[in-house]
Amino acid sequence: KAGVTQTPRYLIKTRGQQVTLSCSPISGHRSVSWYQQTPGQGLQFLFEYFSETQRNKGNFPGRFSGRQFSNSRSEMNVSTLELGDSALYLCASRSPGSLEGDTQYFGPGTRLTVL
Amino acid sequence: EDKVVQSPLSLVVHEGDTVTLNCSYEVTNFRSLLWYKQEKKAPTFLFMLTSSGIEKKSGRLSSILDKKELFSILNITATQTGDSAIYLCAVPMEYGNKLVFGAGTILRVKS
Repeated sequence: KAGVTQTPRYLIKTRGQQVTLSCSPISGHRSVSWYQQTPGQGLQFLFEYFSETQRNKGNFPGRFSGRQFSNSRSEMNVSTLELGDSALYLCASRSPGSLEGDTQYFGPGTRLTVL
Repeated sequence: EDKVVQSPLSLVVHEGDTVTLNCSYEVTNFRSLLWYKQEKKAPTFLFMLTSSGIEKKSGRLSSILDKKELFSILNITATQTGDSAIYLCAVPMEYGNKLVFGAGTILRVKS
């Protein structure tokens, strides 16, 4: 099976712009979660989508949003970018329904730099 | 508040050494604990430990879970330079859809 894919791999934006990141989960996985990784805060949970519905959200401002499509692909959007949004954004997918479904498989990430 | 704490934060060893990485947790409704290895970008899954599977082994890597004392350890024997990475411990919360991570242990193996 192909792994989780994310596009683009690198992005450079300026403050005030917005950005959209994309994630394609492992085939058959209906849950997609997003994480932000920074040197200071480590890996922080952003939100999770399952069957096109957001089921859980982390402690991030409303500038961070996402959605999931019927084919389980997901996008996240960050509006009005700030310097502090510079980070590695990781997407992970899983197949819930059993204890083994707790395991999340990560994509390669999108490195966002805000200037 | 749910939390996951890893130690040490960083470690430098020589090839052939054995290392032990620690992860302690305080969570409600514990289900499982996950170990990941992160080299360049994507964390790659190593082990999942649960109440019914408290010890896992794969090659030179092994991990145990102590549910009573609320910690897990990851052992790497006969380390190689390719083991250099960040090792992350995570505990799923809220029916598994949210992983809470420790800060990670940065392991550097010198040749």
